[in-house]
Amino acid sequence: QVQLVQSGAEVKKPGASVKVSCKASGYTFTGYYMHWVRQAPGQGLEWMGWINPNSGGTNYAQKFQGRVTMTRDTSISTAYMELSRLRSDDTAVYYCARVRKMSIAVAGFDYWGQGTLVTVSS
Amino acid sequence: DIQMTQSPSSLSASVGDRVTITCRASQSISSYLNWYQQKPGKAPKLLIYAASSLQSGVPSRFSGSGSGTDFTLTISSLQPEDFATYYCQQSYSTPPTFGQGTRLEIK
Repeated sequence: QVQLVQSGAEVKKPGASVKVSCKASGYTFTGYYMHWVRQAPGQGLEWMGWINPNSGGTNYAQKFQGRVTMTRDTSISTAYMELSRLRSDDTAVYYCARVRKMSIAVAGFDYWGQGTLVTVSS
Repeated sequence: DIQMTQSPSSLSASVGDRVTITCRASQSISSYLNWYQQKPGKAPKLLIYAASSLQSGVPSRFSGSGSGTDFTLTISSLQPEDFATYYCQQSYSTPPTFGQGTRLEIK
C-alpha cells in the first residue's frame, strides 16, 4: 500500500533552516510528482511547490522563491523540502502529498504524509 | 493565481441532514476541482476529484458537481464521522490553490 512517512517535529530559531523528509513506499517513486503543502495553526492549506522525482525539476510558489528548496533521492524514494531564513510565521505543519495521476504535475492529491510540525521560536 | 472561495465558512448540521458546500473559482477551471476532508490533527483526505469523481474508498453519500467556476460538494445523509473541515482545490493551473475551508459542526 502507498505510504508517505515524514520526519519528526522540529523546533528552530528564527533565521535557521529546516529540512523535512518524506519517504515514499508502495509505488514507483519516480512516476508521480510530489507536492509540499503547509498549514499554520488554525489556518487553511497553503501550497508551497512540487518536485518531479524523475527529473528533479521543481516549481515553487512565488511566496517561497529564494527560501525553499525541494530535492529528492531516488535511491531511497525520499523527497525533501528545505526552508531557510525561518520566521515565526513559518510555524506550521508541513505535508508532502502525491499527485494522483502518473506523470502529471498538478492534479488532486491522493496520498499525504502524516505532517511534520515545524515550530519557529526564539 | 486563481482564487477559490468557499461558502459557507462554517455550518452546523445534524446527523442525517443533507448538506451542500459551495466553491467558486475566480476564473473558469473546467472540471479541475478536487474536494478534501480534514479532521483535527490529521492530513487532508481526497474525497472527490475532477469535480464529480468519487475517490476509491469514499462513501457514496459524498458527491460533487459543477464545472467552469461553480462547484458543489453534497453529503446526502450526514454521519457522525463527517464532522470535519472541507476544502476545495483547483488543479487547472499552477499554483494549485485551495479554498479557505468550510467547518462542518454538529448542531
